[in-house]
Amino acid sequence: AQTVTQSQPEMSVQEAETVTLSCTYDTSESDYYLFWYKQPPSRQMILVIRQEAYKQQNATENRFSVNFQKAAKSFSLKISDSQLGDAAMYFCACLNYGGSQGNLIFGKGTKLSVKP
Amino acid sequence: SAVISQKPSRDICQRGTSLTIQCQVDSQVTMMFWYRQQPGQSLTLIATANQGSEATYESGFVIDKFPISRPNLTFSTLTVSNMSPEDSSIYLCSVRAHSGNTIYFGEGSWLTVV
Repeated sequence: AQTVTQSQPEMSVQEAETVTLSCTYDTSESDYYLFWYKQPPSRQMILVIRQEAYKQQNATENRFSVNFQKAAKSFSLKISDSQLGDAAMYFCACLNYGGSQGNLIFGKGTKLSVKP
Repeated sequence: SAVISQKPSRDICQRGTSLTIQCQVDSQVTMMFWYRQQPGQSLTLIATANQGSEATYESGFVIDKFPISRPNLTFSTLTVSNMSPEDSSIYLCSVRAHSGNTIYFGEGSWLTVV
């Protein structure tokens, strides 16, 4: 069974600084996708960034980038130039690409606070 | 991307009653899922909504408590039956589109059972 672990229940960052959120996962599949979702107080789940496991290059989306270490099964999220609007819960998730269900397995989440 | 509309966005329900949540997608999608997020917790998959057939439920979730319908490729409903305070949660509809391997979420339905 797939598992996703986020070891940081809470993190804090100063506005304009950089913060890294950690995530490790375990899967027996050779083909899978990894995601970071953001959940602000509105409760909407917003896709932040996606990484295909077969790609060695780390995904980037503007101020958001990942450090994908496939051998170590690690998938951390780096937020650069942090903004007040980045404050939210962040969930790491794994999608079983080849699975019949194709659903997401989530970590427990990391609550990010941004200090002005 | 897919645009997902969920109704209701929020409701307060009486113990013992049932409530049906609707999920409408703006395009045909391969898979639709229903998740539950209990207060302060992560998301847990309830079931996969299958078009024209019975949903596939995860361990710990049963059809009598969470009946699901999916009459076509763009619409699904989740009913929370005989509610108790323990059912107070956010219920989220999500979809996996034909074109890729990204999963999108609706705004969620925040239910409080009193």
